[in-house]
Amino acid sequence: QQQVKQSPQSLIVQKGGISIINCAYENTAFDYFPWYQQFPGKGPALLIAIRPDVSEKKEGRFTISFNKSAKQFSLHIMDSQPGDSATYFCAASRSNTGKLIFGQGTTLQVKP
Amino acid sequence: EPEVTQTPSHQVTQMGQEVILRCVPISNHLYFYWYRQILGQKVEFLVSFYNNEISEKSEIFDDQFSVERPDGSNFTLKIRSTKLEDSAMYFCASSDLGRGRRAFFGQGTRLTVV
Repeated sequence: QQQVKQSPQSLIVQKGGISIINCAYENTAFDYFPWYQQFPGKGPALLIAIRPDVSEKKEGRFTISFNKSAKQFSLHIMDSQPGDSATYFCAASRSNTGKLIFGQGTTLQVKP
Repeated sequence: EPEVTQTPSHQVTQMGQEVILRCVPISNHLYFYWYRQILGQKVEFLVSFYNNEISEKSEIFDDQFSVERPDGSNFTLKIRSTKLEDSAMYFCASSDLGRGRRAFFGQGTRLTVV
C-alpha cells in the first residue's frame, strides 16, 4: 500500500513532442505528489508538485494531471527538448511524515 | 539559489569499515532526510530528522546506521560496519515547509564498499 507505481520505464520522444509519464498509488492518505528530475550523477531536483485538492497544475512546459478517484497522476512535458532528457521520478507523501515514496523512475530521451 | 551540499562526492571503503557521510542542509530548513539509490534503481527513504531527533526511519535503517546534527549546520549519516550491499548513492535532503514538502536534494555521495 506504500508503493507508487510508475510507467513507462523508458520513453523516447521527438523534439517538440509531448512526453507523458504516469504514476499510480494506493494509499489514500497520501496528500502531496511531487515530480523530480534527475540527470546522471546528480541529485533529484524538484520539478513540480501537486496536492489532491486540484486536478491540474501547470508550470511552464510541465503539467501535472491528478485523478483522485483513480488514484493516478501524470506528468506532461509539452514541446519536449533534448535538454529534458533525464530520469523522472514521481513521489508521494503524507502530511504527518517526511517520507517521500518514489516511483521506479522513467528514463526520457528526447531526440533532436 | 541555496542548495544542499554533500561531501565527499565519492567514498571508497573496505567492508567492515565505518564511514561518515556529511551534508550541509539549506540554512533555514528544519527537516532533514537521508535517501539512498542503488545503481539503476529508485530512490529509497532511509531516515527523517527533526528537532534533533529521528522522526521516522525505514527498515533499511538498522542499528548499523545513525544520524547526527553535531552543530548548527551539518547533518551526518554514519554507517558503522559497511557491507557490500551498502554500495549506493546516498542523498541528503532538507525541506522548509513541513514534512516532505518541497524537499531539496544534494548532489549525492557515491559510496563504494569493496
